[in-house]
Amino acid sequence: DAKTTQPTSMDCAEGRAANLPCNHSTISGNEYVYWYRQIHSQGPQYIIHGLKNNETNEMASLIITEDRKSSTLILPHATLRDTAVYYCIVRPNQAGTALIFGKGTTLSVSS
Amino acid sequence: GAVVSQHPSWVICKSGTSVKIECRSLDFQATTMFWYRQFPKQSLMLMATSNEGSKATYEQGVEKDKFLINHASLTLSTLTVTSAHPEDSSFYICSAREQVTNSPLHFGNGTRLTVT
Repeated sequence: DAKTTQPTSMDCAEGRAANLPCNHSTISGNEYVYWYRQIHSQGPQYIIHGLKNNETNEMASLIITEDRKSSTLILPHATLRDTAVYYCIVRPNQAGTALIFGKGTTLSVSS
Repeated sequence: GAVVSQHPSWVICKSGTSVKIECRSLDFQATTMFWYRQFPKQSLMLMATSNEGSKATYEQGVEKDKFLINHASLTLSTLTVTSAHPEDSSFYICSAREQVTNSPLHFGNGTRLTVT
């Protein structure tokens, strides 16, 4: 499986955009980029995923570079409740395939 | 959206006893569910893959006789921690995916197990 590299921690001011980077230079053609977040003592929450096109939903935007070797998760207007550990994972989207979690990025949003 | 429910959300048990954790897919069917474990200040670690109607597949280093998994229906998987010891105290999380093309994996809210 392709490995991902994320910064250990990031800070963001409330109301500003939070841009979380992820490097996945060994990604394979059939691997998707997934983003999840985990708030303390809760299960991971799905945010967004994509294969090669940029994606947007009500929570966030996912920007994937043309060579697919890196991506950025964008939270357009961060709030205090967005403080969490954010995980970037690359994996084929197959029914019997689990997600393997790295250490993620701890995002701290402050007022 | 797809919801995965875990029960109980927390449990305290005495050393040597067994504890059962349930994982249900509330509004979809899942032939495969996954069980994870998370120790404090660490990331999630995959323990096993639960397959409906067949034996679970365990990750290296996970004792199959200690962590019994039963996936008896398309909406329920159970994890039983047998003869629990204090070192089994952890946060156990299950996940499942809808059988729909391009569907992501959804996670339960976890079960905090404390063995005294």
